[in-house]
Amino acid sequence: NAGVMQNPRHLVRRRGQEARLRCSPMKGHSHVYWYRQLPEEGLKFMVYLQKENIIDESGMPKERFSAEFPKEGPSILRIQQVVRGDSAAYFCASSPRAGTAFFGQGTRLTVV
Amino acid sequence: LAKTTQPISMDSYEGQEVNITCSHNNIATNDYITWYQQFPSQGPRFIIQGYKTKVTNEVASLFIPADRKSSTLSLPRVSLSDTAVYYCLVGDDNAGNMLTFGGGTRLMVKP
Repeated sequence: NAGVMQNPRHLVRRRGQEARLRCSPMKGHSHVYWYRQLPEEGLKFMVYLQKENIIDESGMPKERFSAEFPKEGPSILRIQQVVRGDSAAYFCASSPRAGTAFFGQGTRLTVV
Repeated sequence: LAKTTQPISMDSYEGQEVNITCSHNNIATNDYITWYQQFPSQGPRFIIQGYKTKVTNEVASLFIPADRKSSTLSLPRVSLSDTAVYYCLVGDDNAGNMLTFGGGTRLMVKP
């Protein structure tokens, strides 16, 4: 059973471009979480999704950020018009139920 | 959500037992206690989860006193590869954002 797969592992974008981060949860997992981590800091919750539904987006910035978890395919975290402050590691986790979750290796976004 | 407090950092030596205590005074009746380990440039890895008393697996033990206002992660005979950040999380199994990470404890294992 493959773990949580995130791609790309590294993503470089110029300011103003769009960044799309993908997360394929573990087989059978219907809960997906997205986190952001700055260097030397802890993980900050962004959004919690179940299939086709956003359950909790209290950690998402109000503008430029969006997330989805369609019925088919991976979960997508989309950042429009990226700025340098968006540079961070973005981690996805999945769970068969709310609670114990398994994390991917993350996507490191660098905005130049 | 119950807030957790952990030491910012700890040092230890190879072969020693390490105990990391987490305070969660506002823990609710339905809350579980979960610990994760994170190495640099990697995602957090689930270590152990418990509700009360003691839980043990092949990696660690988790001790939870009767009042559940704290918990202690115990790592037996640490090695250099146990150097990592350890996070204590508390939350309801049914809560959407149970996975709320605090600052974690940075454990440094020395030879």
